[in-house]
Amino acid sequence: QQQVRQSPQSLTVWEGETAILNCSYEDSTFDYFPWYHQFPGESPALLIAIRPVSNKKEDGRFTIFFNKREKKFSLHIADSQPGDSATYFCAASEGSNNRIFFGDGTQLVVKP
Amino acid sequence: NAGVIQTPRHKVTGKGQEATLWCEPISGHSAVFWYRQTIVQGLEFLTYFRNQAPIDDSGMPKERFSAQMPNQSHSTLKIQSTQPQDSAVYLCASSPPRGSVAETLYFGSGTRLTVL
Repeated sequence: QQQVRQSPQSLTVWEGETAILNCSYEDSTFDYFPWYHQFPGESPALLIAIRPVSNKKEDGRFTIFFNKREKKFSLHIADSQPGDSATYFCAASEGSNNRIFFGDGTQLVVKP
Repeated sequence: NAGVIQTPRHKVTGKGQEATLWCEPISGHSAVFWYRQTIVQGLEFLTYFRNQAPIDDSGMPKERFSAQMPNQSHSTLKIQSTQPQDSAVYLCASSPPRGSVAETLYFGSGTRLTVL
């Protein structure tokens, strides 16, 4: 059973639009939810993360919205730029284990 | 800080040969993770160590894959009798001790393994 599900598989937006990437998870004991981004030819790198003590985390143009009841969280990229084009992975982990489960990724293309 | 160092960057093996991949974690990091990345399967967890001890190897194909961490400065992933389906980018990541900078994974550049 896949622990973290991500959608859409690919997303194309125009420059300036808000890109919305979605994730859901299975295990209610998960307590840490990061998003990683990966540019072509590079390795994944942490973008932003949230813990369920809050339902929103902002960092510049990037915002995570978290819904604990529905076990869903999303990444909103405001004012999308062509330089944001990358694959975005959501992930989840539980504190005592620390193993991080990744979603399958969303390939984002921002058109100028 | 040189980051996580993985060697070699590329490795080509013939079917049935052995491949050993190396990872040097960031100094001071207590956990080392191995992932495999392919277009079809995405990021697959293989195994991880904390303070050199194996914690979870549930993602490792049991028969031909093995990982070790003989000291805090390096880990190896060994694949015996490589098969074409083992072709992937193998990523090593390390993370700081628990309670410091959360559970951020710092990935290396990966080793691209091609099995002919």
